[in-house]
Amino acid sequence: AQSVAQPEDQVNVAEGNPLTVKCTYSVSGNPYLFWYVQYPNRGLQFLLKYITGDNLVKGSYGFEAEFNKSQTSFHLKKPSALVSDSALYFCAVRDGDYGQNFVFGPGTRLSVLP
Amino acid sequence: EAQVTQNPRYLITVTGKKLTVTCSQNMNHEYMSWYRQDPGLGLRQIYYSMNVEVTDKGDVPEGYKVSRKEKRNFPLILESPSPNQTSLYFCASSWGENSPLHFGNGTRLTVT
Repeated sequence: AQSVAQPEDQVNVAEGNPLTVKCTYSVSGNPYLFWYVQYPNRGLQFLLKYITGDNLVKGSYGFEAEFNKSQTSFHLKKPSALVSDSALYFCAVRDGDYGQNFVFGPGTRLSVLP
Repeated sequence: EAQVTQNPRYLITVTGKKLTVTCSQNMNHEYMSWYRQDPGLGLRQIYYSMNVEVTDKGDVPEGYKVSRKEKRNFPLILESPSPNQTSLYFCASSWGENSPLHFGNGTRLTVT
């Protein structure tokens, strides 16, 4: 069965500092991995995805994520955080070989402090 | 503008009174899905549809029904709502398995 873990409920970072939001996953086949962001009173918005290829994926708003197969991780990163990055972040996985559906992690709330 | 539209945005109802939450997408997506979001649990899938007239259960389908008679519409039906169905609901659609999901803005349902 597919599963996703986001070990931190909350991440606090100062504006201008680098940020990392962690995600680990478990699938039987090849993982298709996604990051989404949710702002208050809005639906989730797609940030980036990894399907195959380069382990470092670049996405919207300066975010990037690194796929690490041996550690089954897909951590979201940004070199310099903005206050406007404060939001709820979700990691999601889909089993590329066996699964039809996305499984989402519980979410990590990112607070960027001015 | 490409979008997924859900209605209503907010709904307060009483136990047992049937309700429908509508979802429509204008991107000609084949895949559509419903999720509920609860604090600490992330998003859990209720039902999904791979195409017209093809629907299947997700992880938490009990108490819900769906239909997919047209490609663009995927309504969520609660025949007899109960308080444990109080939640934030999202409809989403995508082209297929490699494609990201496009989400509606959500429907906050309260069942008293």
